[in-house]
Amino acid sequence: GAGVSQSPSNKVTEKGKDVELRCDPISGHTALYWYRQRLGQGLEFLIYFQGNSAPDKSGLPSDRFSAERTGESVSTLTIQRTQQEDSAVYLCASSLAPGSTNEKLFFGSGTQLSVL
Amino acid sequence: QKEVEQDPGPLSVPEGAIVSLNCTYSNSAFQYFMWYRQYSRKGPELLMYTYSSGNKEDGRFTAQVDKSSKYISLFIRDSQPSDSATYLCAMKASGSARQLTFGSGTQLTVLP
Repeated sequence: GAGVSQSPSNKVTEKGKDVELRCDPISGHTALYWYRQRLGQGLEFLIYFQGNSAPDKSGLPSDRFSAERTGESVSTLTIQRTQQEDSAVYLCASSLAPGSTNEKLFFGSGTQLSVL
Repeated sequence: QKEVEQDPGPLSVPEGAIVSLNCTYSNSAFQYFMWYRQYSRKGPELLMYTYSSGNKEDGRFTAQVDKSSKYISLFIRDSQPSDSATYLCAMKASGSARQLTFGSGTQLTVLP
């Protein structure tokens, strides 16, 4: 596709429910990142996928958060037993030259998650 | 204390004004500095990328890095209503984007 696509754009859920967020990276981009953006705060790194390497999960805030990626394609971020503090915009980004000093991230428009 | 501090604004200026956006940081290992622009309900897009100290100009935008003061700036000349967005600074010590540390963003409105 032309850019990074994320769905849904908005998700409202009740506390305790599970949610699944989807990201379609730019075709050919081997690296994929998930970030969280809370209101009035900077982007927090969550998880990174690069090719067939083991993902870097160092940013996941708790074991309620998990993510998968199918090859170099779609990724899903799953949040189990959602809490109100999970309310945020979840952004996905992909890149073509991971690890290089000139690495450029291309972001999707994000999923606005609201936990009631 | 946060590693990267950025005044959240909001900042409101008339069309044509010169805008100055700033970030300070505490980690002296940061070498790569970026500015992202984020329109409402959109993801951030890379605007400027600089390495180490000095100035970089791209059209109406100038990025400035002062490593001795741990201070970076983005200047926008002849600001336009289309520049209205949130501007995020970001920086890293080495190559990987996993190491990026973002500021909280400054919301800018340029009034016609």
